Amino acid sequence: DGGITQSPKYLFRKEGQNVTLSCEQNLNHDAMYWYRQDPGQGLRLIYYSQIVNDFQKGDIAEGYSVSREKKESFPLTVTSAQKNPTAFYLCASSISPESSYEQYFGPGTRLTVT
Amino acid sequence: SQQGEEDPQALSIQEGENATMNCSYKTSINNLQWYRQNSGRGLVHLILIRSNEREKHSGRLRVTLDTSKKSSSLLITASRAADTASYFCATELDTGNQFYFGTGTSLTVIP
Repeated sequence: DGGITQSPKYLFRKEGQNVTLSCEQNLNHDAMYWYRQDPGQGLRLIYYSQIVNDFQKGDIAEGYSVSREKKESFPLTVTSAQKNPTAFYLCASSISPESSYEQYFGPGTRLTVT
Repeated sequence: SQQGEEDPQALSIQEGENATMNCSYKTSINNLQWYRQNSGRGLVHLILIRSNEREKHSGRLRVTLDTSKKSSSLLITASRAADTASYFCATELDTGNQFYFGTGTSLTVIP
């Protein structure tokens, strides 16, 4: 099956701990994205990557970090510097960042930090 | 912020009726896309309309775009209970590379 996978579906952490969310795609897409969604809200862009070994900050990058060592993988680390990390995190990819292509979304990871 | 605003925030209709939701945005765009999200799931792409297009159809979906008013509408005809979901518009700025999602319309279709 082709698509985007995110794991785990639910994640619980104690405050002050870093946590890494996984995102893998086998669609051979160049561009990958991380969004955060809070209850009843739209999506806000955290980071995006247009090509391997390159990524750019989105609107709310503070307290997050990413890497893009492989085309298929774009993990997101939520650091202890993120003030309100509890949220629903969505990873997406698109075939190319340079044109008007749709984004394909993973099923999401719900992170709860207490 | 470029983030779009959907209107209404919530909509409840009977099965078989049409559902219309609107999206307004602030700056020039390359294209506008509509996505659907079932509760607790990822988003699914529905339709894309480019800035030089005024109307597009896909099955029971009809999307219009008015760039002079910076607004778009999504019409779902003959709604079904399975259409119950949240619907988001996403705008790609004419500077490219990023999408900005609206706050969504929560649609409930009552069987």
